[in-house]
Amino acid sequence: AQKVTQAQTEISVVEKEDVTLDCVYETRDTTYYLFWYKQPPSGELVFLIRRNSFDEQNEISGRYSWNFQKSTSSFNFTITASQVVDSAVYFCALSGETSGSRLTFGEGTQLTVNP
Amino acid sequence: GAGVSQSPSNKVTEKGKDVELRCDPISGHTALYWYRQSLGQGLEFLIYFQGNSAPDKSGLPSDRFSAERTGGSVSTLTIQRTQQEDSAVYLCASSLARLAGGLDEQFFGPGTRLTVL
Repeated sequence: AQKVTQAQTEISVVEKEDVTLDCVYETRDTTYYLFWYKQPPSGELVFLIRRNSFDEQNEISGRYSWNFQKSTSSFNFTITASQVVDSAVYFCALSGETSGSRLTFGEGTQLTVNP
Repeated sequence: GAGVSQSPSNKVTEKGKDVELRCDPISGHTALYWYRQSLGQGLEFLIYFQGNSAPDKSGLPSDRFSAERTGGSVSTLTIQRTQQEDSAVYLCASSLARLAGGLDEQFFGPGTRLTVL
């Protein structure tokens, strides 16, 4: 069985602070993919990133960066210099070779960035 | 180009009635998924269609739930004899399924908010 845990239910920061959202996963698959999605107040899930299990290179995209560590089964997401528009619920998700294409989502982290 | 669209955006129904929710995937996407988002259960997988293969129905919570995908495009999720616990946002997603196992990123629609009174 696959599982994704986002231990932080809610995080509140002040604009321009850096914030890290934690994601820990469990899977028995050798090949798997990890994802982050953003759900703003409008409700639509927005794809942010996909990483496969064979690529542990960290990735940076603008103010966003992701730290994938297989040794700790973690795929953490950092927003640098947060902005009010970053306020949303962020979901970490997992899919693997035995589960097919279905995504297993974490519980989500509600991020509030205050001006 | 157009994203995934879903209709209706909101649906209020009475307990015991049947409802149909519609999803139009992104053109050219061969894979289509239904998920449900509710307060108590988070985001749950319901069903997955890939091309002409038999759908993966393993996430459907009961036999009151069914889904069809006609012509490899539009999909309809049907809930029969709705119950209050069916109240949730029903999300549809599609993907190109280019990668082995179809592990492409999924693009989500805006969802249908179902309220069962």
